[in-house]
Amino acid sequence: GENVEQHPSTLSVQEGDSAVIKCTYSDSASNYFPWYKQELGKRPQLIIDIRSNVGEKKDQRIAVTLNKTAKHFSLHITETQPEDSAVYFCAASKDTGFQKLVFGTGTRLLVSP
Amino acid sequence: DVKVTQSSRYLVKRTGEKVFLECVQDMDHENMFWYRQDPGLGLRLIYFSYDVKMKEKGDIPEGYSVSREKKERFSLILESASTNQTSMYLCASRQGLAGHQETQYFGPGTRLLVL
Repeated sequence: GENVEQHPSTLSVQEGDSAVIKCTYSDSASNYFPWYKQELGKRPQLIIDIRSNVGEKKDQRIAVTLNKTAKHFSLHITETQPEDSAVYFCAASKDTGFQKLVFGTGTRLLVSP
Repeated sequence: DVKVTQSSRYLVKRTGEKVFLECVQDMDHENMFWYRQDPGLGLRLIYFSYDVKMKEKGDIPEGYSVSREKKERFSLILESASTNQTSMYLCASRQGLAGHQETQYFGPGTRLLVL
């Protein structure tokens, strides 16, 4: 089955810096890659997703890139702010069967003022 | 606005007790999921249901069962709670359109402590 690895497990940056979180997946049939953000004590919420027919997607300060050949995808946050501090999860699924999401192990991002 | 609620935010149970965790969604979603969240392990799928009375095992179903008698409600059952089931339990739902990969909406979580 699918396996998703996520790095780093923790990331500390200064406010205004960029942050990059990377994920690799094992199943070449996977074609949907969402990112969820979980603030402390809150539920995970989708922040951005990408499908395998595109290589990059942007939404204001966040962007996701996908390299299907290498089977990895990354989350990029520019001009980080303290409110970006959270745990970020990547995930992968394919559009056949039950379309289960397989999650990475999470990255704790801390943005210091 | 999708709303997914869970019956308890915090729960303390004793080893061997039968534990029920309830999840309700108000958006007429077809699919519902139960995950457990542990530090360093991310979100792991326990069970999911793609329709009423239908259920499928996820990646870690041992020690758990589920029930989906009504579309809006998905229950997770720990038949005989053990200390290694101490965890955060998250419920999620999604629309369930065939061939579409859609957003999963999560509940607030239930933090379960088994003594």
